[in-house]
Parts: sequence; C-alpha cells; structure tokens
Amino acid sequence: QLHLQESGPRLVKPSETLSLTCAVFGGSINSTSNYWGWIRQPPGKGLEWIGTLSSRGRTYYSSSLKGRVTISFDTSKNYFSLNLNSVTAADSGVYYCARHSLPDTSELDYWGQGALVTVSS
Amino acid sequence: EILLTQSPATLSLSPGERATLSCRASQSVAFYLAWYQQKPGQAPRLLIYDATKRATGIPARFSGSGSGTEFTLTINGLEPEDFAVYYCQQRSHWLTFGGGTKVEIK
Repeated sequence: QLHLQESGPRLVKPSETLSLTCAVFGGSINSTSNYWGWIRQPPGKGLEWIGTLSSRGRTYYSSSLKGRVTISFDTSKNYFSLNLNSVTAADSGVYYCARHSLPDTSELDYWGQGALVTVSS
Repeated sequence: EILLTQSPATLSLSPGERATLSCRASQSVAFYLAWYQQKPGQAPRLLIYDATKRATGIPARFSGSGSGTEFTLTINGLEPEDFAVYYCQQRSHWLTFGGGTKVEIK
C-alpha cells in the first residue's frame, strides 16, 4: 500500500523559503507510471494545485506561483521536495503531497496526511 | 485558467436522502473531471475520475455524470460518514479545483 509522508519546518518567517519533503513508501518515484504533485489549502478554504514532477524530473507549475516554486526529487532516497520562496502570510496553510494516478497531471489517488505551515515572524 | 464553480455551497440533508452536487467549468474539460471527499483534518480522498469512473474502494452509492462544462456528483442514500466537503477538479488544462460543496446534516 502506497504511503506518502510530508515533513519540514512548520513555522516560516515572511520573505524566507518554505521547504517540505515528501517521503514515498511502498512505491518508487522512479516509476514511469505516475507523476507526483504538491497541493495546498489555506485555513478554511479550498484546494490549490502548486505543481507536479515527472519521474524524469520534468516540472509543471501553477501560473500563480511560477517563479517562486521549485519541485525536485531525490530518487536514491525516494522522496520529492517543495521549495517556495519569498513567502507571505497568504502562503500559510496545509501542504499536501500526492501521487497522480497517471504519468501526467491527472487526478490524485494517494495523498499524504498534510503539513500545516504557518508564515509568521 | 479553467475555473470550476460548484453549487450549492452548502447542502443540508438527512441520512438516507439523495445528494446532488453540481460542478460547472468555464470552458469544456471533455470528461477530464474528478471528485474528491474531504473530512475535517483529513486529506482529500478520490471518489470519481474521468467524470463517471469510481475510484478503487468507493461505494456504488457514489456516481458521477456529465461532460463538457456540466458535471454532477450524486450520492444515493446518504450514510453518516458521507457528510463532508466535496471538491471537483479538472485535468483538461493543468489542474484546478472547485470551491467545494459542504454536505451537512439537516
């Protein structure tokens, strides 16, 4: 059974960089059958796609966050990472990593439990 | 960017009743639409993909219909565990999510 686990600092200062990693258990991020994504949810609000990573390292980013976001992976350790720079309070929320069901920006069939990140000084 | 508008924002129903949730896209997404269920403090769970296909392990009381710009999620015979927030999501052009419909106990 596939399991994803987010980790990283839960408190980030304004203007700094939010960094999270997603460890994948029970599956390989090298698999050509799936892509891997990050989604976020501000407190009390809806879901927002951040970006997606292919097994070959190709990245796709939301236009609203492009320029501030980087997604990458470490295949030797079977995890992928999110970096979001120049954060403000509007970047606070729960950050989820998830697996796309297909090797494209398809629906998301497995999700991590989420990491609540607060941007505050 | 393709916008998804969900209605109603809140649906108040009793257990056993049928829930009908709507999702409208700002332009055609063909059949590339999914539905998720989210309970408080939990990650979303995939219910329906490609507009009509149930994800693994999803009960038959959940069904999806529609294509193009108009989609519906139907829950036949609400169970106590079905009271939650439901989101639609398109994958025709990148990914966007609707604003959600909360199904609450009447």
